[in-house]
Amino acid sequence: QVQLQESGPGLVKPSQTLSLTCTVSGGSISSGSYYWSWIRQPAGKGLEWIGRIYTSGSTNYNPSLKSRVTISVDTSKNQFSLKLSSVTAADTAVYYCARLRFAVVTYFDYWGQGTLVTVSS
Amino acid sequence: EIVLTQSPGTLSLSPGERATLSCRASQSVSSSYLAWYQQKPGQAPRLLIYGASSRATGIPDRFSGSGSGTDFTLTISRLEPEDFAVYYCQQYGSSPGLTFGGGTKVEIK
Repeated sequence: QVQLQESGPGLVKPSQTLSLTCTVSGGSISSGSYYWSWIRQPAGKGLEWIGRIYTSGSTNYNPSLKSRVTISVDTSKNQFSLKLSSVTAADTAVYYCARLRFAVVTYFDYWGQGTLVTVSS
Repeated sequence: EIVLTQSPGTLSLSPGERATLSCRASQSVSSSYLAWYQQKPGQAPRLLIYGASSRATGIPDRFSGSGSGTDFTLTISRLEPEDFAVYYCQQYGSSPGLTFGGGTKVEIK
């Protein structure tokens, strides 16, 4: 059973960089047809896709966040990471990592439990 | 960017009733790349339907998906108490790649 677990600071100051890591267990991050993604959800609001990475290092980002986002992967640690720069209060949200299965059909099949990140001084 | 519009925003129904949720895309979406998720408070979303109409593993058959092109529907044939939650549609396509609908909350009437 694949499991994903987010980790990182729960509080980030405005203008700083938010950094989160997702650790994958129960399977290799390098195996299969999967993209590894970050999604966020402000309190009481909907889901916003941030971006995805393939184990080759190939990335795609949400255009609305592209200038501030970097997603990277460390296959040796079975982890992938998110960096979001120049954060403001609008970046306060629960951040989820998730596995996006892509093949004939495409969908998120496994999600982390989510981690709340608050941007505040 | 493909925009997904879900309606209604809130659906107030009683257990045992039928729920019909709509997801409309701003341009055509491949059925292969349309999925539905259920989210309960404090939990991560859970996959219900993929490929517009295929149920995910362990999902009861009271949940069904249909549609094509720009109009997709999630139907819950008879609401159980555990079905009251927020539902999201999601599409995957060419750049920029992926969007979610705004969600439909199914609440107890």
